[in-house]
Amino acid sequence: NAGVTQTPKFQVLKTGQSMTLQCAQDMNHNSMYWYRQDPGMGLRLIYYSASEGTTDKGEVPNGYNVSRLNKREFSLRLESAAPSQTSVYFCASSEARQIYGYTFGSGTRLTVV
Amino acid sequence: QQQVKQSPQSLIVQKGGISIINCAYENTAFDYFPWYQQFPGKGPALLIAIRPDVSEKKEGRFTISFNKSAKQFSLHIMDSQPGDSATYFCAALGGGADGLTFGKGTHLIIQP
Repeated sequence: NAGVTQTPKFQVLKTGQSMTLQCAQDMNHNSMYWYRQDPGMGLRLIYYSASEGTTDKGEVPNGYNVSRLNKREFSLRLESAAPSQTSVYFCASSEARQIYGYTFGSGTRLTVV
Repeated sequence: QQQVKQSPQSLIVQKGGISIINCAYENTAFDYFPWYQQFPGKGPALLIAIRPDVSEKKEGRFTISFNKSAKQFSLHIMDSQPGDSATYFCAALGGGADGLTFGKGTHLIIQP
């Protein structure tokens, strides 16, 4: 099915460990985003990429890095995981965002112990 | 600083009733206001969206009402059904914002 694919779906990390969350879209969208979702907090933007080769910080970028590998793929890296990074992470993509909105992946549930 | 305030946090409505969720925004440069629906274990999905040059948009049982002067917009779900039980997020975009700014969400339960 066309859309946004995130891997893995679940992950448990120990404090200080690193990992990369993968995201790929097959809709030929230019823009891609990483959000985190926490109970009672809604979705908060971590990083975004307006086009291939560009990345910018969002509202909550501390502790994260991103790579826009190509037009399809946008990865999120936690270099040294902390319990405060326990969250559900969503990747999204968009084209003419004001018309078609964002398409979200199904999320990665990350627990840092 | 929360730029989009959403209420209520949770809502219980009887089947067939009207569900109403409200949002208020601060940034007058916002120019696109979508609503997203999220089921457990899934990502948010676009439900309906409006631009500030119209006061109302209807798609099936879902209606957005928009009040530009009050900087408020709301989602109305008519004839609410148990399948509408989900978390709903309002959002806003524009004015140089980097991405969609979301409200904190409303957990809606439709009782049979």
